[in-house]
Amino acid sequence: KNQVEQSPQSLIILEGKNCTLQCNYTVSPFSNLRWYKQDTGRGPVSLTIMTFSENTKSNGRYTATLDADTKQSSLHITASQLSDSASYICVVSEGGYNKLIFGAGTRLAVHP
Amino acid sequence: EAGVVQSPRYKIIEKKQPVAFWCNPISGHNTLYWYRQNLGQGPELLIRYENEEAVDDSQLPKDRFSAERLKGVDSTLKIQPAELGDSAVYLCASSSGTSAGDEQYFGPGTRLTVT
Repeated sequence: KNQVEQSPQSLIILEGKNCTLQCNYTVSPFSNLRWYKQDTGRGPVSLTIMTFSENTKSNGRYTATLDADTKQSSLHITASQLSDSASYICVVSEGGYNKLIFGAGTRLAVHP
Repeated sequence: EAGVVQSPRYKIIEKKQPVAFWCNPISGHNTLYWYRQNLGQGPELLIRYENEEAVDDSQLPKDRFSAERLKGVDSTLKIQPAELGDSAVYLCASSSGTSAGDEQYFGPGTRLTVT
């Protein structure tokens, strides 16, 4: 069964600190992997998208990595801000069309 | 550019009552998706439309759920009758195409509470 698993389930950090979120997937065939940010009460917003051949992709203070051999990805947040408090969802696209398999997300809380 | 619009944002109904959600996708986006997101979980696809045609409704509980996308623009998702387990956030998304690289843009969702 195609699955996307994320860890940790939740995380609390202090403002200004860095953190790394993990994602493991078993989706096949694999097309691409996205990280989404979902603020409370809002729909998910895409942060990064990586294809099979890409190892890393940055978007400001967000840096995603992908190891297609081990089927693992990570999202690193640098110098966290209060506005980074949200759920971060790892999403893998299955096959050649736009069918997305979502992880359960990591709920991040940044405290002052 | 306006994003995906959904209404209502919140809905509280008693079980066995009907409910409907409306979605207006980004202008020009031919592909429209309905997702259900349970608390603490990621979204799960219910149905995908390409223009007026429902091309993937394998996860839609057809005994009580129905959807339509007349004229290939706006879409409505209906539940009749609602059950307690239907309480969730219903997200609508749209994309310009159906290839794996096409970005899906999500609306804010409708939070349904069934009492």
